[in-house]
Amino acid sequence: GGIITQTPKFLIGQEGQKLTLKCQQNFNHDTMYWYRQDSGKGLRLIYYSITENDLQKGDLSEGYDASREKKSSFSLTVTSAQKNEMAVFLCASRPDWGGNYAEQFFGPGTRLTVL
Amino acid sequence: AQKVTQTQTSISVMEKTTVTMDCVYETQDSSYFLFWYKQTASGEIVFLIRQDSYKKENATVGHYSLNFQKPKSSIGLIITATQIEDSAVYFCAMREGGASGSWQLIFGSGTQLTVMP
Repeated sequence: GGIITQTPKFLIGQEGQKLTLKCQQNFNHDTMYWYRQDSGKGLRLIYYSITENDLQKGDLSEGYDASREKKSSFSLTVTSAQKNEMAVFLCASRPDWGGNYAEQFFGPGTRLTVL
Repeated sequence: AQKVTQTQTSISVMEKTTVTMDCVYETQDSSYFLFWYKQTASGEIVFLIRQDSYKKENATVGHYSLNFQKPKSSIGLIITATQIEDSAVYFCAMREGGASGSWQLIFGSGTQLTVMP
């Protein structure tokens, strides 16, 4: 088994501020993801990474940067926080082997509030 | 373009009954995977069940099963003998095509299930 941890659990920032969210996984998965979930809505992909130092943009990448310096960690930076992006940010990873290769595992989320 | 649609925003059922949640999808890929995930009130998201497009048999895991109707591009989730703890938001998702190491999941907007005692 394994676990995905996200820090912080709650993040409060000022409009225009640069904010960083962190994600760690100990599954030894190659592929990691960042999603944004707005209240009452589905998940939308911001960035994903198929290996260390790889970055792929999702549909919602504008206004965000990502970093994958280690296989176990994936960071997301909100480059200039805006009030309309208050949401829960979810990190996920997936295995690349065996019969479960298509399943994603999710972290508990970081709730972002912009004042 | 790939798309996943869940038209039921919320459903309420009595405990121990059977519920079906609808999901339709759009894809140009001949091979694809369909998933259902559950998000609890705490925000935790867990994988429930998967259907591979090339399989004719409906997937079943515990008291979850799928109603896969490929000609209708439909993948319904059926929960039998519902329990209070099944109350959650259920998301349908589809694997988008691409190289094996660089694929994405497209999510529907979710269905809130409330199971009443």
